[in-house]
Amino acid sequence: GNSVTQMEGPVTLSEEAFLTINCTYTATGYPSLFWYVQYPGEGLQLLLKATKADDKGSNKGFEATYRKETTSFHLEKGSVQVSDSAVYFCALLNAGNNRKLIWGLGTSLAVNP
Amino acid sequence: ETGVTQTPRHLVMGMTNKKSLKCEQHLGHNAMYWYKQSAKKPLELMFVYSLEERVENNSVPSRFSPECPNSSHLFLHLHTLQPEDSALYLCASSQVDRAGYTFGSGTRLTVV
Repeated sequence: GNSVTQMEGPVTLSEEAFLTINCTYTATGYPSLFWYVQYPGEGLQLLLKATKADDKGSNKGFEATYRKETTSFHLEKGSVQVSDSAVYFCALLNAGNNRKLIWGLGTSLAVNP
Repeated sequence: ETGVTQTPRHLVMGMTNKKSLKCEQHLGHNAMYWYKQSAKKPLELMFVYSLEERVENNSVPSRFSPECPNSSHLFLHLHTLQPEDSALYLCASSQVDRAGYTFGSGTRLTVV
């Protein structure tokens, strides 16, 4: 079946550090891949997405590349800010699965000044 | 007002109470969802409405009763809940033929 595995948190970084949050997936067919972010006390917001292999999604300095050969969609940012402190969720959407999003468990990120 | 709006933001209820959560979207989407978010668990999809018809009910106990009177509004009626039902309840909407959901800020429910 379809599944998403994220690295466990919490991740704690200093401001301006490099961020990587790993995400790997198992899916039949050719899913679309997403990163959502949840700031404290808020719902989830779409951060970026990629709909086919080798696509790179990017937003707010974050990037993730859809790697079919390694079934991965790792989230990266070159220089994190305190305002990036949030929980990050990796998800996949398989068109053949009633268009239901499959979620990772989420990775909490804390950025210290 | 744009986006997905959920009310109330916080709710405390006793196990014998009846309450309702409300979700409203002004995005012109035609699918709406209820999710439950509990600590250290994956997001749980509870109900899906597509074109105002319930298309999915993921073995949710009958003490949760959804209602979708039109494509812009979604309710979750609650009665005789248990303490383990305490969680953040998130509403989302999407366009059925496009990827990507828009979420509301959620209702933090505490059952005492």
